[in-house]
Amino acid sequence: GAGVSQSPSNKVTEKGKDVELRCDPISGHTALYWYRQSLGQGLEFLIYFQGNSAPDKSGLPSDRFSAERTGGSVSTLTIQRTQQEDSAVYLCASSLEQNYIREQYFGPGTRLTVT
Amino acid sequence: ILNVEQSPQSLHVQEGDSTSFTCSFPSSNFYALHWYRWETAKSPEALFVMTLNGDEKKKGRISATLNTKEGYSYLYIKGSQPEDSATYLCAPILTGGGNKLTFGTGTQLKVEL
Repeated sequence: GAGVSQSPSNKVTEKGKDVELRCDPISGHTALYWYRQSLGQGLEFLIYFQGNSAPDKSGLPSDRFSAERTGGSVSTLTIQRTQQEDSAVYLCASSLEQNYIREQYFGPGTRLTVT
Repeated sequence: ILNVEQSPQSLHVQEGDSTSFTCSFPSSNFYALHWYRWETAKSPEALFVMTLNGDEKKKGRISATLNTKEGYSYLYIKGSQPEDSATYLCAPILTGGGNKLTFGTGTQLKVEL
């Protein structure tokens, strides 16, 4: 079946502009996660959604970052007034449920470059 | 902040060599440990989810062990092949931390012919 998809695959934007990154999780997966990997760094948790529960936003680095998940499926990560340090690969993952033993299925990522 | 360390940072081996690397994490409040493989230009792919002290998991030539009392896991690759070249990531989950994965910086493995 279809895996996790993300769009765009690459995004180059000017400093100060807003960007929106999209994630389509695997159908039926109720848990959705956003991570990012900056150059030379490990994968960093940003936010996760589980069903209708309030999202865990504890990993968002600043209030310029926000995310929503509509209808329990597609999610968008929005970065306002982008800065050069926002340049990274942004990965989305989904799992059947928010359960610590469930493996997460990752999308191909969006490479964001802020010039 | 959960401190997850992986070593070595990078590794070059010859085809056919066996190799291993380490993931260290806080031993208290352990829930589970995930191992992922991330090949260049692809998505991270789950290898194992381990929960019990003494657990050993195997998938083909790759296996992993878990010691929750001392806070480490080993990943072993037997008879490395070029297609094993990837970054191997571990991510423990501790109680009270929700179900988000906290990844180490990974071990980058390159298998040369």
